[in-house]
Amino acid sequence: GAVVSQHPSRVICKSGTSVKIECRSLDFQATTMFWYRQFPKQSLMLMATSNEGSKATYEQGVEKDKFLINHASLTLSTLTVTSAHPEDSSFYICSARDQTRPSGNQPQHFGDGTRLSIL
Amino acid sequence: DAKTTQPPSMDCAEGRAANLPCNHSTISGNEYVYWYRQIHSQGPQYIIHGLKNNETNEMASLIITEDRKSSTLILPHATLRDTAVYYCIVRAPHQGGKLIFGQGTELSVKP
Repeated sequence: GAVVSQHPSRVICKSGTSVKIECRSLDFQATTMFWYRQFPKQSLMLMATSNEGSKATYEQGVEKDKFLINHASLTLSTLTVTSAHPEDSSFYICSARDQTRPSGNQPQHFGDGTRLSIL
Repeated sequence: DAKTTQPPSMDCAEGRAANLPCNHSTISGNEYVYWYRQIHSQGPQYIIHGLKNNETNEMASLIITEDRKSSTLILPHATLRDTAVYYCIVRAPHQGGKLIFGQGTELSVKP
């Protein structure tokens, strides 16, 4: 089945550091990928839609200069958390949509997430 | 996308069927019903989806009422590994594919 790989699985770094998270679709092409954030005991919150070859679409309230998204190929999207601070500590999850099925009938597949801890 | 309502938590005995309800009374004609689950500290796992017919796969069955205002996910023989948060989501094709997660149902399967 469709597999989405996310790397790294865990990051611990100092405040002010920029952190890059990769999301890859391993056995299918994905012109669209999605980035979510999840705080403890809460549901997933959609941050942005990553579009191959064009700018990402950010949800209301998400700072595009803070969370840089690049989708340079059909199998890779990256999320960079710039100048990270403790409040950016969270579980970041990406997902990708299988393009082989008709629009609307496409299950989205998720990576295993990246746990980011900013000290 | 239509809003969904799910009970916050449910218990189920191991080996019994787990029936997870979802209300989506404002669903529109072209919106699919998707079910995902999230085991602690992992990414969500796709389970099943449907439009109006009942669906079954190796993981679960999805029963959608005739008026499509509610659905039930059935895990026929729940195991301890099925303990997770289960999310019911409705999505229309024109919404760009994004899934908006609600609070889900925390299912606890007990020995």
